[in-house]
Amino acid sequence: KQEVTQIPAALSVPEGENLVLNCSFTDSAIYNLQWFRQDPGKGLTSLLLIQSSQREQTSGRLNASLDKSSGRSTLYIAASQPGDSATYLCAPGGATNKLIFGTGTLLAVQP
Amino acid sequence: GAVVSQHPSWVICKSGTSVKIECRSLDFQATTMFWYRQFPKQSLMLMATSNEGSKATYEQGVEKDKFLINHASLTLSTLTVTSAHPEDSSFYICSATRGGDTEAFFGQGTRLTVV
Repeated sequence: KQEVTQIPAALSVPEGENLVLNCSFTDSAIYNLQWFRQDPGKGLTSLLLIQSSQREQTSGRLNASLDKSSGRSTLYIAASQPGDSATYLCAPGGATNKLIFGTGTLLAVQP
Repeated sequence: GAVVSQHPSWVICKSGTSVKIECRSLDFQATTMFWYRQFPKQSLMLMATSNEGSKATYEQGVEKDKFLINHASLTLSTLTVTSAHPEDSSFYICSATRGGDTEAFFGQGTRLTVV
């Protein structure tokens, strides 16, 4: 059974800092991994999708890496802004497109 | 593209009544839709997988007679919470994938409160 852990559980940083969010998963037989953002009381916004054959994906200030064999992914946020404040969720996906979610990292970027 | 719309965004119902939540893919055909539940300060838990024209596959511990899922078309799946009780109060979110595409697109969620 896939288990997903995200570290840290919460993070508070001043505006402008670069930061790294970590995700680890127990079953490396994944097809892809997605990073999402969730604002309070809202649905999920897809940030990045990494296929299992890829090592990283970039979108603007976001960069996600995937080390499938070791069961790890990281989300790097450059030059953080207050608008980045949200909960960040990682979710590895299997053959049936099921996503198993981590518990998330609650990020607060202080102006 | 790839927009998923969920309705309603919030609902309050009395204990013992049933509530239907709709999940629509607006600009693509969703071969598979998924229903998740999220309790406060917890992550999303998969409830069931729904394929158009076939019965939903429920995750272990999810009561299929209580959470009725219908996926009658390639753009619509519905989740009906039957005989709702206060412990069913939660945030329900659907997602959809396109044929051959593994990326999941999520609806905005439905906040259900049972009083």
